Amino acid sequence: KAGVTQTPRYLIKTRGQQVTLSCSPISGHRSVSWYQQTPGQGLQFLFEYFSETQRNKGNFPGRFSGRQFSNSRSEMNVSTLELGDSALYLCASSSRDYKSVQYFGPGTRLLVL
Amino acid sequence: DAKTTQPPSMDCAEGRAANLPCNHSTISGNEYVYWYRQIHSQGPQYIIHGLKNNETNEMASLIITEDRKSSTLILPHATLRDTAVYYCIVRFTGTASKLTFGTGTRLQVTL
Repeated sequence: KAGVTQTPRYLIKTRGQQVTLSCSPISGHRSVSWYQQTPGQGLQFLFEYFSETQRNKGNFPGRFSGRQFSNSRSEMNVSTLELGDSALYLCASSSRDYKSVQYFGPGTRLLVL
Repeated sequence: DAKTTQPPSMDCAEGRAANLPCNHSTISGNEYVYWYRQIHSQGPQYIIHGLKNNETNEMASLIITEDRKSSTLILPHATLRDTAVYYCIVRFTGTASKLTFGTGTRLQVTL
């Protein structure tokens, strides 16, 4: 099976812009989670989608949003970008239940100038 | 989710076993122990997980103490490619899929 794919892999934006990142989960996986990794805060959970519904949400401002499509692909959007949003954004997918292993994609590295 | 404590760094000679400890003294009965690793700037890679019995797969072994308050990840024959940050995570099975990452252990495998 193909792994989790994320596009784009690298992105440069300027403050105030918005950005959309995409994640395609492993075939058959219905849960997609998003994480942010920065040198200062480490790996932090953003949100999780299951069957097109947000099932869990981390402690991030409303500028961070996401959605999931019927084919389980997911997108996350960050509006009004700030310098501190520069990070590696990681997507992970898992199959049906809560105990399932999460498999991570390679990430999208976002640089905000 | 229970908090975990790991040493910030460890060294291991290539070919030797790497034993990475993790303390999770507040773990509850329905929390699993997961191990992931992250090689520089790549996505975390799943290694192994367990509830209370020792587990082994093609990558590693997981030893969980009888009281479940600590565990050890064992890489039996470490190679240079095992150099990475290793994360020990405990996860409540009844909640959604959130993983809470700590700061992990930076394992350096040397010749």
